[in-house]
Amino acid sequence: DTAVSQTPKYLVTQMGNDKSIKCEQNLGHDTMYWYKQDSKKFLKIMFSYNNKELIINETVPNRFSPKSPDKAHLNLHINSLELGDSAVYFCASGGTGGDAEAFFGQGTRLTVV
Amino acid sequence: GESVGLHLPTLSVQEGDNSIINCAYSNSASDYFIWYKQESGKGPQFIIDIRSNMDKRQGQRVTVLLNKTVKHLSLQIAATQPGDSAVYFCAETLTGTASKLTFGTGTRLQVTL
Repeated sequence: DTAVSQTPKYLVTQMGNDKSIKCEQNLGHDTMYWYKQDSKKFLKIMFSYNNKELIINETVPNRFSPKSPDKAHLNLHINSLELGDSAVYFCASGGTGGDAEAFFGQGTRLTVV
Repeated sequence: GESVGLHLPTLSVQEGDNSIINCAYSNSASDYFIWYKQESGKGPQFIIDIRSNMDKRQGQRVTVLLNKTVKHLSLQIAATQPGDSAVYFCAETLTGTASKLTFGTGTRLQVTL
């Protein structure tokens, strides 16, 4: 069983479009995250949700809107896509407390053309 | 935000040799550290962690060393194998916060035969 699964794995879309990436975890974790990895492999946190509530928003443009229907799901919707949004987006989940490692999904490679 | 590491260096080692991957962190308040391995096309995968009350922790073929005085982490891989080829990231966080992991920029390990 896949612990953290996100879909789609690849997403190619035109500028200005709206797209969503879905994420689900079956680990029973309370906290879920979205990370963005740029072309230089730098991983930066975008959002963190704990029990469906937003707890971290790292100055991400408001074109990015996470939605957590329940604590096992954290979807990422992106409006008006821009070329600079091209990256690999990783969903992750972790246990409560600051000492629990994050478990990552396989990533979604988003290419905006 | 805080940054961990500066560049994405590449470390080339011969199969069977030991590898040492270094990481500098900047938040002196961080008390929990993790090493992740990211293979091509996959998400980061947990390797080993260490808390700030320790200076060394060993796993299977891997050892993490923590020097809080100079804010430095290292990952040692014994008898490096081709399957160890990947990008390695250190990550830091503060226990009791919102489980936010700050990642370094990573090191690419290339294992030559």
